[in-house]
Amino acid sequence: KAGVTQTPRYLIKTRGQQVTLSCSPISGHRSVSWYQQTPGQGLQFLFEYFSETQRNKGNFPGRFSGRQFSNSRSEMNVSTLELGDSALYLCASSLRGTNTGELFFGEGSRLTVL
Amino acid sequence: EDQVTQSPEALRLQEGESSSLNCSYTVSGLRGLFWYRQDPGKGPEFLFTLYSAGEEKEKERLKATLTKKESFLHITAPKPEDSATYLCASREDSSYKLIFGSGTRLLVRP
Repeated sequence: KAGVTQTPRYLIKTRGQQVTLSCSPISGHRSVSWYQQTPGQGLQFLFEYFSETQRNKGNFPGRFSGRQFSNSRSEMNVSTLELGDSALYLCASSLRGTNTGELFFGEGSRLTVL
Repeated sequence: EDQVTQSPEALRLQEGESSSLNCSYTVSGLRGLFWYRQDPGKGPEFLFTLYSAGEEKEKERLKATLTKKESFLHITAPKPEDSATYLCASREDSSYKLIFGSGTRLLVRP
């Protein structure tokens, strides 16, 4: 069965631009969560969507937003990019959400902001 | 503030040399303690979920245990392919988010 697919895998943007990242979950999974991973802060929770509804949001500014479509695919958007937004953005899907902690992660989208 | 702290930051072992990784947590109303493995350039891969003190889970050379304040990941007779970063995470009662520790980078030399 296909895993979690994230696109694009790598991208370079400049300060002030915006970026949209895409995540296709494992077929049948209704929960998609997003995490930011940096060497200094580790993995930090951004938000989780379940059946198109945002169930929880992490402590990130409003420049970070997301959505989930009826087919469970999800996108996250970062507007007005800052240098500190350079990170690996990971998407994870699960059947029922984080209840069991069994998340299936994609390989991530590595964003570099210049 | 809820926290998950892992130690050591990095660990070098010889092949066959058993050891343990530590994960301590301060989460009110813990609703699960989770272990993941992350290889370079990859997303984390789920290993175990532990729910209550005294619980143990095993998978090949790995065994995870949980007490009221910490969890241990025991690695018995490790092989070079066990080299990876091991992450633990907790989930609190009222939240759908996982709080991750900073990880332990394990290197097993042949």
